[in-house]
Formats: sequence, structure tokens, C-alpha cells
Amino acid sequence: QSALTQPASVSGSPGQSITISCTGTSSDIGTYNYVSWYQQHPGKAPNVMIYEVSNRPSGVSNRFSGSKSGNTASLTISGLQTEDEADYYCSSYTTSSTLVFGGGTKLTVL
Amino acid sequence: QVQLVESGGGVVQPGRSLRLSCAASGFTFRNYAMHWVRQAPGKGLEWVAVISTDGNNGFFADSVRGRFTVSRDNSRNTLYLQMSGLRPEDTAVFYCARGRGPTVTTYFDYWGQGSLVTVSS
Repeated sequence: QSALTQPASVSGSPGQSITISCTGTSSDIGTYNYVSWYQQHPGKAPNVMIYEVSNRPSGVSNRFSGSKSGNTASLTISGLQTEDEADYYCSSYTTSSTLVFGGGTKLTVL
Repeated sequence: QVQLVESGGGVVQPGRSLRLSCAASGFTFRNYAMHWVRQAPGKGLEWVAVISTDGNNGFFADSVRGRFTVSRDNSRNTLYLQMSGLRPEDTAVFYCARGRGPTVTTYFDYWGQGSLVTVSS
């Protein structure tokens, strides 16, 4: 149950686009289209932004989008806003009937 | 509205036990798989455990298997996490979360506010 691999940090300026990658294995991301992404602000519980690779829950801005290729999933945030500054985590269902998170990525909006 | 409220956290000595509870409201509790997720101070999220809708099946992270058990009381709309043999590395905020998905949990759509467990002598 190794954690999914994410970059520790990414940054961008307001209005720009950024992409956060999430690399797993054939035991998780590579087998299932069950990747989700969570946004977490300091001291708060996480909120789901993308589920099942590319689906957005109601209420989530369409500036957030997700994709997957092979063992790697990606979250793209377009038109960066200052309120997007937060930690982002990917998650996947696994062949062991468990779930696994990525190590998290700190997004800084410069 | 959906609410998940954890309780039972606190300071506990290494090797001791502690039970967390998660009171659910605003939805039909028995229809959803429920999870525990933890976050050590300053660290990332770690999935801990899941329990099926009827409480008959549970799965655990390798790091807690054999030490933690998960249960639920669908008549009381409450989820539990029984933790034994606690270690300092178990120190974390523990969240309960509702699982969503077609047949298995593919994501968590609601989270509690978290309960802090500190394992220290």
C-alpha cells in the first residue's frame, strides 16, 4: 500500500493554469477509473473536487478538471484564483479493496 | 444536511486503547460504506479503514491491521474505530468520511471535522 506519488509543491500566478500529477501503479490507478482529488485548506477537512477521474461534483468550479493516462492521473486548475491556494490530494481504489492517497501537493498562488 | 461528528479523541499512553465515534445525521446511514482517514500533524492524508453497509466486512491499511477494528451501529447511526496497541506514530487527526461509488467506494463526499488523537507518555 505505497502512497501515490505527487509533487510536493506547485505554483502559479492568478489567471494561469497548473497541473498536478499523481502516479500510481497497475494495482491502483492503472486498473481502475476510480481516481479522486481533494482540496484541503489549513485546519479544515478535505473537500472532493474531482471523482472517478474526471467528474466534478455539483458546486465545484469548471476550472477544475481531471484526466488519466496509464498509471498517472492529473488535476488541472485553469484561471488560478487566490482561493485555490491549498493542499491537494489524489486518491485511488486499489486491487486490495483498500484506498490509497497521494502524499499531497501544496499549491501556491503567487 | 449531511453531518458527521467525531468524538472520543484525546491523549493516550503508548500501548493503550481508545475508541472513536462518528455520529451521522442527515442521510440514511445504513446505505453507505463508511471510512476512517487520518492525518498526522503537518502530514498528508492516510486512509485507515472501511466498513461495509451492513457492518459485516471491513478492510484496513497495513499500518493498523491487527490493532484497529471498525464497527457500526446502524440503529444509532454511529460509526466506531477501536484502536489498541497505540503507538506514537498513530498521533493524528482522525476523520470519518462517507463513501460513494457504484459498487465500491470511489470517493468520499462528506467528511467530519476530525478528532485529534495524541499518543504520548
